[in-house]
Amino acid sequence: GENVEQHPSTLSVQEGDSAVIKCTYSDSASNYFPWYKQELGKRPQLIIDIRSNVGEKKDQRIAVTLNKTAKHFSLHITETQPEDSAVYFCAASRESGGYQKVTFGTGTKLQVIP
Amino acid sequence: KAGVTQTPRYLIKTRGQQVTLSCSPISGHRSVSWYQQTPGQGLQFLFEYFSETQRNKGNFPGRFSGRQFSNSRSEMNVSTLELGDSALYLCASRNGDRGTGELFFGEGSRLTVL
Repeated sequence: GENVEQHPSTLSVQEGDSAVIKCTYSDSASNYFPWYKQELGKRPQLIIDIRSNVGEKKDQRIAVTLNKTAKHFSLHITETQPEDSAVYFCAASRESGGYQKVTFGTGTKLQVIP
Repeated sequence: KAGVTQTPRYLIKTRGQQVTLSCSPISGHRSVSWYQQTPGQGLQFLFEYFSETQRNKGNFPGRFSGRQFSNSRSEMNVSTLELGDSALYLCASRNGDRGTGELFFGEGSRLTVL
């Protein structure tokens, strides 16, 4: 089955600095790669996603890059702010037999130090 | 539009007991999936239901079961609880039955097994 590895597991950055979280996946059939942010005590929420026909996608301070050949994708957060502190999960998805098969990474706890 | 609602939010059980958790998806969403979240393990897939049918199941023992009703509400049941079942159980709903796309999560049911 699909295996998604996520690194680092914890990340501390100074406010204003950039943060990068990396994920690798094993199933070459995966074609949808979402990132979810989970603030303390809250539900995970989608912050950005990318499909396999695109190499990079940006939304204000966040961006995601995808390298299909190497089977890895990354989340980039620039000009970090304290409200960026949360756990971030990457995921790799594909359609299988009519349903969506999603595998999540183990999460990265990001702490932005004011 | 109301979000995904999970009940109960918190519960404490003892080993050997059973528990039933409920999830009401976003109106119009017919796909409901369940995840177990534990520290360091990320989000582990339990099962997915669509139109009252289980379409996919993760690698959990048979003590974990679920069902979906005609109004798309879903329940999951864990029988003969073990200490290791202590976790946050999240459900997510999705619009559409094919392809890949965003999951909308509930706030979860936090189960503690003593």
